[in-house]
Amino acid sequence: DQQVKQNSPSLSVQEGRISILNCDYTNSMFDYFLWYKKYPAEGPTFLISISSIKDKNEDGRFTVFLNKSAKHLSLHIVPSQPGDSAVYFCAASTNAGGTSYGKLTFGQGTILTVHP
Amino acid sequence: EADIYQTPRYLVIGTGKKITLECSQTMGHDKMYWYQQDPGMELHLIHYSYGVNSTEKGDLSSESTVSRIRTEHFPLTLESARPSHTSQYLCASSDSAWGDTQYFGPGTRLTVL
Repeated sequence: DQQVKQNSPSLSVQEGRISILNCDYTNSMFDYFLWYKKYPAEGPTFLISISSIKDKNEDGRFTVFLNKSAKHLSLHIVPSQPGDSAVYFCAASTNAGGTSYGKLTFGQGTILTVHP
Repeated sequence: EADIYQTPRYLVIGTGKKITLECSQTMGHDKMYWYQQDPGMELHLIHYSYGVNSTEKGDLSSESTVSRIRTEHFPLTLESARPSHTSQYLCASSDSAWGDTQYFGPGTRLTVL
């Protein structure tokens, strides 16, 4: 049972345009969500996160939107750059912060290619 | 952001050998994790630790073992490597005080012949 799903295996966009990466989850207990970027043969790099008490979080070119009723989150990258080409993973956990156990459940990843 | 290190980065080894993958972090994080990832697939948690002398198995069954004798060190051991162990192994750590953001090391690509 896959609790976090990224249904688009790949996405191709033109440099300067917006990239929108999507993620769906089924576990209503998830209350903290993260996006990671990963290059081949390297570890994931943390990009941005959002708590379930918010519906939007911005950090520079990256914005994450959370729709709790739809159990859906998305990552927007504006403007997209060729250096953004990588695999993007969304992840989710329960009981954010404090004494939480911090176990993350990952999606399968989406390969983003930004063309010059 | 955490400074977290993994060695070796790449390892090619024969069946039956014992191997230890090293993971160290310098941020004093109490929680550490090991994930396994195959190409095109999600990361699967195989071990985690909440502090010294605390280790637990993750969601994906693994024949590997871990230890946590020091806060900064979380090595993973395979007593007898097999081709089915070929994968990328990723170590991560997090600080409870700052939520559940995990910071990853560069990974070890293991190939068992």
